[in-house]
Amino acid sequence: ETGVTQSPTHLIKTRGQQVTLRCSSQSGHNTVSWYQQALGQGPQFIFQYYREEENGRGNFPPRFSGLQFPNYSSELNVNALELDDSALYLCASSHPQDEQYFGPGTRLTVT
Amino acid sequence: AQRVTQPEKLLSVFKGAPVELKCNYSYSGSPELFWYVQYSRQRLQLLLRHISRESIKGFTADLNKGETSFHLKKPFAQEEDSAMYYCAPWGYSGGGADGLTFGKGTHLIIQP
Repeated sequence: ETGVTQSPTHLIKTRGQQVTLRCSSQSGHNTVSWYQQALGQGPQFIFQYYREEENGRGNFPPRFSGLQFPNYSSELNVNALELDDSALYLCASSHPQDEQYFGPGTRLTVT
Repeated sequence: AQRVTQPEKLLSVFKGAPVELKCNYSYSGSPELFWYVQYSRQRLQLLLRHISRESIKGFTADLNKGETSFHLKKPFAQEEDSAMYYCAPWGYSGGGADGLTFGKGTHLIIQP
């Protein structure tokens, strides 16, 4: 059984740029959730995808968007990057309403 | 708004001593309650969930709906329990899945 993987491990972007983060879900999981974890804080829910549709969304602006593909992998896209977007981005996969399995995260730094 | 309070940012206890990590939540509806743990250099992982009522690694958590608390307890702490612990309710709102709502976490350090 393959666990949740995320890429890249870390990256540096400039304010105003766009970024795409990727997540491969654990085998058999059809639900992917994304979280943002700022330094010293707990993860904050961004959104969740189930069978390629957005299934729920946290308090994040529309410049945070996502996709889920037929193989249940997922992307998180952030447009017009701001300095406050610097954080660890976590992806978690699961069956619906079941335990979420987290990936190692992508560390994004916006300068 | 959904909110989780973990009042202790850092909790240090000696090996063999009892441990209690506090969690209070404010959540509309009837959420399911989880504790997640992150050991050093490892990814976030589930420690226990309320509905399973299992004791994992000696930890238990009591849900008190009246006080909206879900405190995590262990009678005898072990050095390998040193980690970051997050309380996280989960539920649905009118807009769909809410995702896990994490507290800021408690850093538990077990001293030898």
